[in-house]
Amino acid sequence: EVQLVQSGAEVKKPGESLKISCKGSGYSFTSYWIGWVRQMPGKGLEWMGIIYPGDSDTRYSPSFQGQVTISADKSISTAYLQWSSLKASDTAMYYCARRGNYGGRGPDYWGQGTLVTVSS
Amino acid sequence: QSALTQPRSVSGSPGQSVTISCTGTSSDVGGYNYVSWYQQHPGKAPKLMIYDVSKRPSGVPDRFSGSKSGNTASLTISGLQAEDEADYYCCSYAGSYTGYVFGTGTKVTVL
Repeated sequence: EVQLVQSGAEVKKPGESLKISCKGSGYSFTSYWIGWVRQMPGKGLEWMGIIYPGDSDTRYSPSFQGQVTISADKSISTAYLQWSSLKASDTAMYYCARRGNYGGRGPDYWGQGTLVTVSS
Repeated sequence: QSALTQPRSVSGSPGQSVTISCTGTSSDVGGYNYVSWYQQHPGKAPKLMIYDVSKRPSGVPDRFSGSKSGNTASLTISGLQAEDEADYYCCSYAGSYTGYVFGTGTKVTVL
């Protein structure tokens, strides 16, 4: 069974750093792209970027380029999303999602989400 | 990259059909046959309902169907059921630089 299990909720202050994780199991982790999606409170889904754990090829949505860093450790089947200096506007639910394995096929399996709250 | 345009809400009685539109451009919806649809219940992660415009994953009822014409994709729910009440999002591939773009989301209400 394919599973993506994300790290738990975080409460941080503005200016702090943060790294959240997404552990894949039940499939070949290095053979599928993993993407990250933001959902701000009461709002829609936004594509942030994607990484191929096999070779760490990473692509960012123009809206998120320079704002976050996506990485992966294939030895432990885990992808990461990190911030160096959080802002209140980073408060959101963050989902990781496995991209389908053909062409530009969209995400198929999703993690349960990690709620990030940034408040002074 | 702007979000794809969806109606804010649609509603129908049990057993009826509803259709949700998803309008983009030739750079996303119209340029690729990689439109997917997601169902999201409150407090839950999105669930894949349709991929590659019209394909249904295993386990998704055949009441859900997808199509595309030009720059607009559509999701139809036939024989509406109470458990179909949720938010629905379309998503389209938009090229290797942009990646993916989501729709604005549609709330489906079962009357």
